[in-house]
Amino acid sequence: KAGVTQTPRYLIKTRGQQVTLSCSPISGHRSVSWYQQTPGQGLQFLFEYFSETQRNKGNFPGRFSGRQFSNSRSEMNVSTLELGDSALYLCASSLDHRATDTQYFGPGTRLTVL
Amino acid sequence: KNEVEQSPQNLTAQEGEFITINCSYSVGISALHWLQQHPGGGIVSLFMLSSGKKKHGRLIATINIQEKHSSLHITASHPRDSAVYICAVGRADKLIFGTGTRLQV
Repeated sequence: KAGVTQTPRYLIKTRGQQVTLSCSPISGHRSVSWYQQTPGQGLQFLFEYFSETQRNKGNFPGRFSGRQFSNSRSEMNVSTLELGDSALYLCASSLDHRATDTQYFGPGTRLTVL
Repeated sequence: KNEVEQSPQNLTAQEGEFITINCSYSVGISALHWLQQHPGGGIVSLFMLSSGKKKHGRLIATINIQEKHSSLHITASHPRDSAVYICAVGRADKLIFGTGTRLQV
């Protein structure tokens, strides 16, 4: 089975722009979670989608949004980029939405905001 | 105070040494995960524990629910074990992460 894929792998944007990141989960997985990783804050939960519905959201401003399509692929969008949004964005997929499910992580998208 | 604390933050070991990384948490959880992150960013899930002990090759993970504590042990460490090890607890169907332990063998 193919693993979790994320595109693009690297992205450079300027302040004020918006960005869309994509995540394709492992075939058959219905849950996709998104995480932000920075040197200062470590890994933080952004949101989780299951069967096209956002089930959980972390403590991030409304500039961060996402969606999930019927084939379980997910996108996250960040509008009005700020310097502090520079981070590694990781998505992970799992069969179900329970915290007891093993999550399979993608390679991440490294976003740099100039 | 963070809900998930790991120790040590950094660890340097000689090849062949027995290594222990600790994780303490302060909230009720449904499960605890140990993750490994290599340079470059990729994260691999090592273990998911809700009780007791699990073993996979040279890796052993234990959890004590009453004491809210988990340990990850690496027996006979090898340079390829060099990575950041992250503890994450599952709460309300989302993961809360520790700050990670950077291991250099």
